[in-house]
Amino acid sequence: NAGVTQTPKFRVLKTGQSMTLLCAQDMNHEYMYWYRQDPGMGLRLIHYSVGEGTTAKGEVPDGYNVSRLKKQNFLLGLESAAPSQTSVYFCASSYSREFMNTEAFFGQGTRLTVV
Amino acid sequence: AQTVTQSQPEMSVQEAETVTLSCTYDTSESDYYLFWYKQPPSRQMILVIRQEAYKQQNATENRFSVNFQKAAKSFSLKISDSQLGDAAMYFCAYRSWETSGGSNYKLTFGKGTLLTVNP
Repeated sequence: NAGVTQTPKFRVLKTGQSMTLLCAQDMNHEYMYWYRQDPGMGLRLIHYSVGEGTTAKGEVPDGYNVSRLKKQNFLLGLESAAPSQTSVYFCASSYSREFMNTEAFFGQGTRLTVV
Repeated sequence: AQTVTQSQPEMSVQEAETVTLSCTYDTSESDYYLFWYKQPPSRQMILVIRQEAYKQQNATENRFSVNFQKAAKSFSLKISDSQLGDAAMYFCAYRSWETSGGSNYKLTFGKGTLLTVNP
């Protein structure tokens, strides 16, 4: 059981380049999330999805887009990378409120550097 | 909107001793979940303990326990018999139970407390 898997683990981009981060979960979770983690800022929600085909903005959505075409996958895209997007990105997934196991399960993170 | 505050950016403890990490939160809801996550240098986010707000009994997981004060909106984590492997960043997190407004989907995190364990 792989849990939540993020691809890639590390990436260096030049300003203006684009890339897509892939998140895959095999726990049949309805909810999926993308967070970014910066020093002293904790984890901030970028976008989230409450089900296949649905996405919504979180706290810091600017400069990012997402898609959830399949229930198990949640993609985070950067169309034109900026140095301010240098961060560690975490994908997470969880059950909906009907389930007692309400904690989120996290991927191992992607360290992205934009130069 | 809910907010989570961890007022201690850094804490240290001697091995085998006890340490308490603080967390307060702001919410107008009556039902919700609270969590403590641990993030060691490997970067992996690991669930330490979970508390349901409707339960009065404080959650306990081996050496980890919480002091949940609902009226004070306080949720502290106590680590007993600290071990070197407990050194990590600790995050407090809140999840709504309410469905109105569709906010029950997300976790709101504090900024974290970096715990050092001294041998």
